[in-house]
Amino acid sequence: GAVVSQHPSRVICKSGTSVKIECRSLDFQATTMFWYRQFPKQSLMLMATSNEGSKATYEQGVEKDKFLINHASLTLSTLTVTSAHPEDSSFYICSASVLLAGGVYNEQFFGPGTRLTVL
Amino acid sequence: GENVEQHPSTLSVQEGDSAVIKCTYSDSASNYFPWYKQELGKGPQLIIDIRSNVGEKKDQRIAVTLNKTAKHFSLHITETQPEDSAVYFCAASKDRGQGAQKLVFGQGTRLTINP
Repeated sequence: GAVVSQHPSRVICKSGTSVKIECRSLDFQATTMFWYRQFPKQSLMLMATSNEGSKATYEQGVEKDKFLINHASLTLSTLTVTSAHPEDSSFYICSASVLLAGGVYNEQFFGPGTRLTVL
Repeated sequence: GENVEQHPSTLSVQEGDSAVIKCTYSDSASNYFPWYKQELGKGPQLIIDIRSNVGEKKDQRIAVTLNKTAKHFSLHITETQPEDSAVYFCAASKDRGQGAQKLVFGQGTRLTINP
């Protein structure tokens, strides 16, 4: 159980185009989904927190107009990188949070990541 | 906000030996401390976690210890095997309050098991 999928796993695009990445919780409903970015040989950095039916909360320094997040249902969140540039090339990872122990604890499950390369 | 420091950045051990990775955190309100294993080109995989109401947790060859007073927690891997080679991340978060559920990650440790 607790499987999170991402699509696509790898994408190459031209500078100036937009790219959409999907994150799905396959066998559970996620109370919250998170989007992270990871540059080579670095740690994961949280970009935004997404709750179903509400606007995403972005971390300081993350441009909300560039990284559009839509959380249409309890099992699907999408990240759209608009007008992508080479510096946006990175590994994008989502996670889905689920309440455990009768709503007392949260636990996050991570997707496999999406490698974005902008030429 | 929370800050998590992780050491060492690289660790090389002989197969069969033990490996220890240490993390410190700054926010005393943090109460959830997971450890993730990340293989090349893949997402992080939760391998063990601990909450602040316990001091130690063990799962086969993997154990985590937590010292709330000192604000540090450690990952212990015994009888290491080549497949343990990966990058390991510690993280901290809290269940309630401002910034709840947000995981703050350490810098990562690249563990290499030498056959």
